[in-house]
Amino acid sequence: DTGVSQDPRHKITKRGQNVTFRCDPISEHNRLYWYRQTLGQGPEFLTYFQNEAQLEKSRLLSDRFSAERPKGSFSTLEIQRTEQGDSAMYLCASSTTGSRGNTIYFGEGSWLTVV
Amino acid sequence: TQLLEQSPQFLSIQEGENLTVYCNSSSVFSSLQWYRQEPGEGPVLLVTVVTGGEVKKLKRLTFQFGDARKDSSLHITAAQPGDTGLYLCAGDKTAGGTSYGKLTFGQGTILTVHP
Repeated sequence: DTGVSQDPRHKITKRGQNVTFRCDPISEHNRLYWYRQTLGQGPEFLTYFQNEAQLEKSRLLSDRFSAERPKGSFSTLEIQRTEQGDSAMYLCASSTTGSRGNTIYFGEGSWLTVV
Repeated sequence: TQLLEQSPQFLSIQEGENLTVYCNSSSVFSSLQWYRQEPGEGPVLLVTVVTGGEVKKLKRLTFQFGDARKDSSLHITAAQPGDTGLYLCAGDKTAGGTSYGKLTFGQGTILTVHP
C-alpha cells in the first residue's frame, strides 16, 4: 500500500493527557498537511509542511498543538493537555509541490475521543 | 467561517433517481476538488477541475466548474446504493501559478440511496 498512512486509527484518552499521532505520506510527496474534522463538518486546515519546514499554521492550532516533520518524511501531531473539544478525526494528507490543480491525497484519519 | 456552501446538506433518494449537489462560493478558486468520504474513513478524491466551464465525467458522475471558478456541481445519473456517502467539495487557491495546497472544504452533502 503506497497511500498516506496514519497511526493510531483510534485513540481514547482522558482529559488532560497528551496524545501523539503519526503520519507517513506518499513517498515522493514533499508536502504534508494536517486537517481536523468534526462530525457533520468538512475538514478544516490545521497546518502544512514543505519538506521539513512548517510553512503555515491555522489559528485553530492552539499552543497545545505541535506538529513536526523532522526529516521531511513522516510527521507527528501532538496534542498536550487534551480537552473534550479536541475530540475529532485528525486527517493527514500529502501532495507534490503544487502547480494549479495539484492533487492532495488523504489518509484514513485518526479518531480522537477525549473522555 | 465556511467559504464554500454546499447544498443540499442531506439527500435521500431511491435507486435509479438522478441528483445534483451544488458547491457555491463568493471566492474564486484556482481549482476545485470533489471527494467522497465513508464513515470513519478519510476523503477519497473523485475529480479535480481546473478550468472555468470545465466538465468532467466519471462513469455516472458529471462534474462541472463554473465559468467564473466560484461554483461547481456534481450530478449523479441513475444513483445506486453504492453511491451512498458524504460528498465534499474543496477549493484551492494559487499565487503565481503555485498551489497553496490548503483546501477550503464545504460542509458536505450526505447522500443516501435506498434500494
